Formats: sequence, structure tokens, C-alpha cells
Amino acid sequence: GAVVSQHPSRVICKSGTSVKIECRSLDFQATTMFWYRQFPKKSLMLMATSNEGSKATYEQGVEKDKFLINHASLTLSTLTVTSAHPEDSSFYICSARDLGFQETQYFGPGTRLLVL
Amino acid sequence: AQKITQTQPGMFVQEKEAVTLDCTYDTSDQSYGLFWYKQPSSGEMIFLIYQGSYDEQNATEGRYSLNFQKARKSANLVISASQLGDSAMYFCAMSLTGGFKTIFGAGTRLFVKA
Repeated sequence: GAVVSQHPSRVICKSGTSVKIECRSLDFQATTMFWYRQFPKKSLMLMATSNEGSKATYEQGVEKDKFLINHASLTLSTLTVTSAHPEDSSFYICSARDLGFQETQYFGPGTRLLVL
Repeated sequence: AQKITQTQPGMFVQEKEAVTLDCTYDTSDQSYGLFWYKQPSSGEMIFLIYQGSYDEQNATEGRYSLNFQKARKSANLVISASQLGDSAMYFCAMSLTGGFKTIFGAGTRLFVKA
């Protein structure tokens, strides 16, 4: 299957700082990528849809100024958690859809964010 | 609106036996895809199997098969010959054809006993 990488895998930061998470599709082009947040023992919650060359589409209740998304190329999307607070601590997962293969979404390995 | 329902929060199965994980979905669209993903404790989401709404045959991938019953709107995952490494969280998901977002069920945690 297609490969999606995510960096970093773990990050610990101080409250008030910003954290950038990268999501890359390694062997296919992804015009659309998705950012999810997952709380312990819960399902994935879609935060936003990242569109290459245009603004991201945020789900209801997700602060676009808090979670900045940039999709600068067909293989890279970034999520920046601005002015992070302890309640932003979570597992963040990105995915990219390979339209050439059954429209399957392939996921990155996730990023565990801990804000102290 | 689209919805995915997984009614089994947890399941136990004996090693080498088969197990069925339930999934029902709701959509008024005719063209959609159904997916199953495995999430081990490491957190990564692993794609297992796909079923298109127009596929007449049930999808199979090695030990995984998808029991697709369109009239009942169910897409159960069957894992044959369970292995200890199958212990994980399993998510059923659906997306509408055309690049739309995917929605996920609540998940089922599978425990395989030795």
C-alpha cells in the first residue's frame, strides 16, 4: 500500500509555544489530506481537510486560528498547533487519499503531542 | 447524513478461531466505499480491506474478508485463524465516492487469547 510519513512521532512542548507537524505522501500525489485528532480509547475525530493550493476546510468546532494547516505541495501538508495548551495534548494523525487506488485513505503513524 | 455504527466495544476470541466484527452503515448515496482499519497499541492506522458499493463479490485479503450485505447496510469484518498479533482496535469506515471525507465508527477492541 501507499506510504504516508508523519514527523515528529512524539513532541513535548511548553504551554504557549507552537508545534508544527508534517505529513508527507511518499509514493503518490495527494491533492487532499486529512488531519484527525484521537483521544485515548476513542475514535478518530476529523479536524480538517487540507487541499493543495487552497485553504483548508475545518470541521465544526475546530478553531482555524489555533490549528493552522498548510498544503503547499502535492506531497506535503503541515499542521501547526499555535500557542499550545495542555488541553491540546492528544494523538494527531494525518491521512492522504490515493485516488488511483480505490480512494483508500492511508494514514501516517501519528504524532503524540504533550503540552506541559 | 452518513453514519457508521460498531456495536461491539470489545471482543474476545481464542487463538486460531475465526471472529466477526460487526459494522452497519447509513447513507442515502448509491456510490460509496467501505473500509476496515486496524490500530495496534502503537497508534498507527493500518488499512485492511476495501469494499465498493457496486462490488458484487465480497472483498477478501488474506485472512480478512468483508461480509457485505447491501440490503442490510452491513459490512462485517471476518478474521479467520486469529493470531495473537491481531489484538488491536478495529475501525470500520465509509467514504462517498469522489474524494469526500471518511467517517469512522467508534471501534471494536479485539483481544486474542492464547
